[in-house]
Amino acid sequence: GAVVSQHPSRVICKSGTSVKIECRSLDFQATTMFWYRQFPKKSLMLMATSNEGSKATYEQGVEKDKFLINHASLTLSTLTVTSAHPEDSSFYICSARDTRGQSSYGYTFGSGTRLTVV
Amino acid sequence: KNEVEQSPQNLTAQEGEFITINCSYSVGISALHWLQQHPGGGIVSLFMLSSGKKKHGRLIATINIQEKHSSLHITASHPRDSAVYICAGADQFYFGTGTSLTVIP
Repeated sequence: GAVVSQHPSRVICKSGTSVKIECRSLDFQATTMFWYRQFPKKSLMLMATSNEGSKATYEQGVEKDKFLINHASLTLSTLTVTSAHPEDSSFYICSARDTRGQSSYGYTFGSGTRLTVV
Repeated sequence: KNEVEQSPQNLTAQEGEFITINCSYSVGISALHWLQQHPGGGIVSLFMLSSGKKKHGRLIATINIQEKHSSLHITASHPRDSAVYICAGADQFYFGTGTSLTVIP
């Protein structure tokens, strides 16, 4: 079945530094990927839609300059948290849909990245 | 008010019990996802359905688009089913708050 690989799974960084999270579709091409954020004991919140070869579409309230998204190829999207602060600490997760139609279960999710900013 | 409401928020069951999780939504959606999130955070998409019923192993999902309601059923529940179950509109914008299920041996 469709697989989405996300890494790193956990990262701890110092305040003020930048962190890059990668999301790869391993056996299918994903023209569109989605990035979510999840706060403790809360549900997922869509941050942005990543489109291959074009600019990402950000949800209201999500800072474009803070959360840089690049979707340079059909199998890779990256989320860079720039100048990270403790309030950026969260669980970030990506998803993609296998448009070949082989996934009857909808979207495939990455395993998530637990970011801690100290 | 959240556009997608789930009930119950928390559920504890004995192994073997039949479990039902409900999802009601107030927005127009073309299809609905049921997701399973394990304690480690990883998410698995269980179903995407736009009408009727789907079955996968011990899991059954139903949806009534007119009534804007969906249910996820787990038959013969097992401790490994313990997870958070989330329903979400297929357009990715609307997520339920999740149902935390604990199945006790």
